[in-house]
Amino acid sequence: IAGITQAPTSQILAAGRRMTLRCTQDMRHNAMYWYRQDLGLGLRLIHYSNTAGTTGKGEVPDGYSVSRANTDDFPLTLASAVPSQTSVYFCASAPGVHTGELFFGEGSRLTVL
Amino acid sequence: GENVEQHPSTLSVQEGDSAVIKCTYSDSASNYFPWYKQELGKGPQLIIDIRSNVGEKKDQRIAVTLNKTAKHFSLHITETQPEDSAVYFCAASRNDYKLSFGAGTTVTVRA
Repeated sequence: IAGITQAPTSQILAAGRRMTLRCTQDMRHNAMYWYRQDLGLGLRLIHYSNTAGTTGKGEVPDGYSVSRANTDDFPLTLASAVPSQTSVYFCASAPGVHTGELFFGEGSRLTVL
Repeated sequence: GENVEQHPSTLSVQEGDSAVIKCTYSDSASNYFPWYKQELGKGPQLIIDIRSNVGEKKDQRIAVTLNKTAKHFSLHITETQPEDSAVYFCAASRNDYKLSFGAGTTVTVRA
């Protein structure tokens, strides 16, 4: 049972570089989310997608973009990374928009130098 | 938007004792309140949730209470065990949509 797969697990990136974090789910969930986790701040929503073909902005969207070309994949792109984007990024999914439980991946640790 | 505050940020308990984590929320329209547990190196996992039409919910050693008037909810873990050591997050939302999370509580159970 795979659930949600994130890649890479960990990455060190120079400031100004472009980076895409990958997220794939095999549960056929409609809703997908990207959160960042920072010490003392908990989990903050970056972008979300209610269903394939649609995306929306969360609490902290600046500097990030997403796409949802199909049900399974929801990549997060940093067009020009900055040190403040150093964080642990979690992808999550849910069967639908209003169906409670989120299923999280194991995270991608990103360090921007 | 919703603002969720969580206390304490760290909690150390003796094995077998109880642990209590408290959260407050700002949006009176919030009606869904889940709790997630995050073990080291893993993503958060739902352990229990409560909706605004009930005041308390139990699942074995875990219970959650909700006071909508005061806009706060709490997680209670009884008879703590070493495997309860983790980071716990509370969250709140309207209609299960776009959860707002607290900052997290690191729980350490001492043997």
